[in-house]
Amino acid sequence: NAGVTQTPKFRILKIGQSMTLQCTQDMNHNYMYWYRQDPGMGLKLIYYSVGAGITDKGEVPNGYNVSRSTTEDFPLRLELAAPSQTSVYFCANSRQGALYGYTFGSGTRLTVV
Amino acid sequence: QQQVKQSPQSLIVQKGGIPIINCAYENTAFDYFPWYQQFPGKGPALLIAIRPDVSEKKEGRFTISFNKSAKQFSLHIMDSQPGDSATYFCAASADTGKLIFGQGTTLQVKP
Repeated sequence: NAGVTQTPKFRILKIGQSMTLQCTQDMNHNYMYWYRQDPGMGLKLIYYSVGAGITDKGEVPNGYNVSRSTTEDFPLRLELAAPSQTSVYFCANSRQGALYGYTFGSGTRLTVV
Repeated sequence: QQQVKQSPQSLIVQKGGIPIINCAYENTAFDYFPWYQQFPGKGPALLIAIRPDVSEKKEGRFTISFNKSAKQFSLHIMDSQPGDSATYFCAASADTGKLIFGQGTTLQVKP
């Protein structure tokens, strides 16, 4: 039972490059989230989705895009990478909101140079 | 008003000690307060949670104390063990389902 799977685990990007962080779940949960984690800053919500075809912005959406064409997949797109996007990115899901607990993936460590 | 402020940023205790991590919030619409535990290289995992209708909740060695009037809540770890060494995040949510996380506390329990 994989839960929430993120790929890649590590990536180095050059400024201005683009990439997609992949997130897939096998739990059939409706809610999915993308957070970034920076030292001393906690976890900041980038985007979230309450079901296939529905996405909404979180606290720090600038520079990112998402799509949710299926229940299983919730990719995060960086179009023009900037050094400020160097971070650890976590995808999470929940059955129906925070009350049911989030299941997090193991993260993607991204460095933009 | 959407912030959750967590302190301290780091904490070192001896085995058997009782580390205490504190969080404060402003938004009175928050109605769910979980704590997440994160080990290096892993994603956070739900540890324990409380609703504002109770002042304390215990699960094993972990206790949440909640003070609604002060808009503060804290995590106590009884008889702490080296295996408890991790980063701890408090969080809060209103009925939208989105969690707002605190800044995190890195705990080291020395043998």
